[in-house]
Amino acid sequence: NAGVTQTPKFRILKIGQSMTLQCTQDMNHNYMYWYRQDPGMGLKLIYYSVGAGITDKGEVPNGYNVSRSTTEDFPLRLELAAPSQTSVYFCASSSRTEATDTQYFGPGTRLTVL
Amino acid sequence: GQSLEQPSEVTAVEGAIVQINCTYQTSGFYGLSWYQQHDGGAPTFLSYNALDGLEETGRFSSFLSRSDSYGYLLLQELQMKDSASYFCAVRDNYGQNFVFGPGTRLSVLP
Repeated sequence: NAGVTQTPKFRILKIGQSMTLQCTQDMNHNYMYWYRQDPGMGLKLIYYSVGAGITDKGEVPNGYNVSRSTTEDFPLRLELAAPSQTSVYFCASSSRTEATDTQYFGPGTRLTVL
Repeated sequence: GQSLEQPSEVTAVEGAIVQINCTYQTSGFYGLSWYQQHDGGAPTFLSYNALDGLEETGRFSSFLSRSDSYGYLLLQELQMKDSASYFCAVRDNYGQNFVFGPGTRLSVLP
C-alpha cells in the first residue's frame, strides 16, 4: 500500500494564479482531510470529507475549494493565490472506530506564493 | 468552539522520562489523540484515548481525564530520535471536525 500520496511536493505560484493540490489514498478510508501548517505552528483544518460526495468546511476554508467524487481522491483547489496561502499543506485519511481515531498523513506539499 | 493548550517547549536528556501536558476546551468530546512530527516531515499517529485512564504503547503512554479536560503524553527512556514536535488533537461537538493543539517541541540532549 502506498498510503496517502500528495502531488506536487513543491510549488511556487504567483499572486492570482490558481492550482490544484492532489491527494490520493489507497486504504479505502471514508474520512479525508486537508490541513495547512504555517512555520512553527500547529495544523489548521481547511476542509474535510466523510465520504464520496460529502465535504464540509473546517477552521480556515476561505480561498480554497474541495471535491470528493471518489473514495480515493480528495483534491484541494486554490483560486487566486495570495501570499497568505504560503504554507505546507497536508492531506490525511482515517477510518474511525470507537477504539481508534488514527489519521494517516501524506508527505505534504510546500507551497510558496510570491 | 474549541481550544487546546500545550507547553511550547520541553527539554530533557537521553534516558530520561518526560511528560507533555494538554488541556482542552471543547463543546463536545470524542477522544484525545497525540501525533509526532519531525522537522520537515509529516505528522504520525502515536496514541488515542477515548476513555479515562492510561494507554501504553511501548515507550510511549498517554493519559486522559475527561472530568479535568486534561491529558498527557509520557515518553520514557528518551532517545535522540524522539526530538520532534508533539501535538495533541481533539474532535469537535459533531465528531467530524478535528482540531490540533499548537504543539510542544521536545529537545533531547545527549
